[in-house]
Amino acid sequence: NAGVTQTPKFQVLKTGQSMTLQCAQDMNHNSMYWYRQDPGMGLRLIYYSASEGTTDKGEVPNGYNVSRLNKREFSLRLESAAPSQTSVYFCASGGSTNEKLFFGSGTQLSVL
Amino acid sequence: GQQLNQSPQSMFIQEGEDVSMNCTSSSIFNTWLWYKQDPGEGPVLLIALYKAGELTSNGRLTAQFGITRKDSFLNISASIPSDVGIYFCAGAPRRGAQKLVFGQGTRLTINP
Repeated sequence: NAGVTQTPKFQVLKTGQSMTLQCAQDMNHNSMYWYRQDPGMGLRLIYYSASEGTTDKGEVPNGYNVSRLNKREFSLRLESAAPSQTSVYFCASGGSTNEKLFFGSGTQLSVL
Repeated sequence: GQQLNQSPQSMFIQEGEDVSMNCTSSSIFNTWLWYKQDPGEGPVLLIALYKAGELTSNGRLTAQFGITRKDSFLNISASIPSDVGIYFCAGAPRRGAQKLVFGQGTRLTINP
């Protein structure tokens, strides 16, 4: 039972490049989330999906798009990467009560 | 937006010491949670609190839901090396809410 799987673990981009972060969960959870973690700022919600077919903005959605491909998969896309998007990105899924989150191991992204 | 303030931001202690940290908010939350992040990993849920005044333990960890509903506390007794990591508090307006607000974290370092 893998839980929440994120790929890739590390990525370096040049300013203006695009990429998609992949996330999959095998716990049959309805809700999925993308957070970013920056030093001294904790975890900030980028986008979330309460259920398959729905997505909503979180606290810091600018510069990102998401796709809830099916119940298992929730991807995060950076269309034109900027240095301000250098961060560690975490995908999470919500358990039986949404606030009990299960996190992936993160993607460390650097934008030069 | 809503913010949670964690204190202290970092702690350096000796193995075997007890640890106390807290989390405060200017807004009321009806659910408080504590997560721990090991180096290089995603956060893991430690304790969830749902009622003002509630005191809940998980092994050597004890967390309390403040009676004002604007704060929460986490204590770790007899610290051991594997307690090293970043501890995050999180608040939700109600049980089952989609959007958690995270504190900026307390980084715990233990000297053996």
